[in-house]
Amino acid sequence: GDSVTQMEGPVTLSEEAFLTINCTYTATGYPSLFWYVQYPGEGLQLLLKATKADDKGSNKGFEATYRKETTSFHLEKGSVQVSDSAVYFCALSDKSSGDKLTFGTGTRLAVRP
Amino acid sequence: GAVVSQHPSWVICKSGTSVKIECRSLDFQATTMFWYRQFPKQSLMLMATSNEGSKATYEQGVEKDKFLINHASLTLSTLTVTSAHPEDSSFYICSVLRGAANSPLHFGNGTRLTVT
Repeated sequence: GDSVTQMEGPVTLSEEAFLTINCTYTATGYPSLFWYVQYPGEGLQLLLKATKADDKGSNKGFEATYRKETTSFHLEKGSVQVSDSAVYFCALSDKSSGDKLTFGTGTRLAVRP
Repeated sequence: GAVVSQHPSWVICKSGTSVKIECRSLDFQATTMFWYRQFPKQSLMLMATSNEGSKATYEQGVEKDKFLINHASLTLSTLTVTSAHPEDSSFYICSVLRGAANSPLHFGNGTRLTVT
């Protein structure tokens, strides 16, 4: 079945540091890929998405590129801010599983001033 | 093991009827649960935040009289789709906050609702 593996947290960075959160996936079809963000005490918000190979999703300075050859969708940001402190979830949606979202376990990011 | 149990996993109902979906936290008490709706190939849309013992907080554009949320206990939140129509057909997913506000959410497996 479908699965998403993302790096375990917590990730602690200083402000303006470079961020990478790794995400790899297993899917039987050609999934759409997503990154969601969960701010403290809140529900999920969509951060970015990519629907086909080589697509790059971007939003709020975050980027992720759909790499079919490595089945990866790593999240990156060049310069993190304290306000980026949150939990980040990688997810996929695959037609072969009825388009249901499958989530990774989440990676907590803490950014120090 | 599973942290959140969502039931049923799929349901088919006739137009005009109501459907109840349950979201249970296993082995812990959850004061806050979230309900989402997912359309095919789409991302999640947050519908409402369910708080134990108080009224749910609905997102803009979500009809609270149509999507009734009850969080009567610390381990159970229910979403009732009232007078369902075919356009209500979708995946509905709950998530539960376990622990501190910055703890990762835990997700139910989702409920696929088909309204005929």
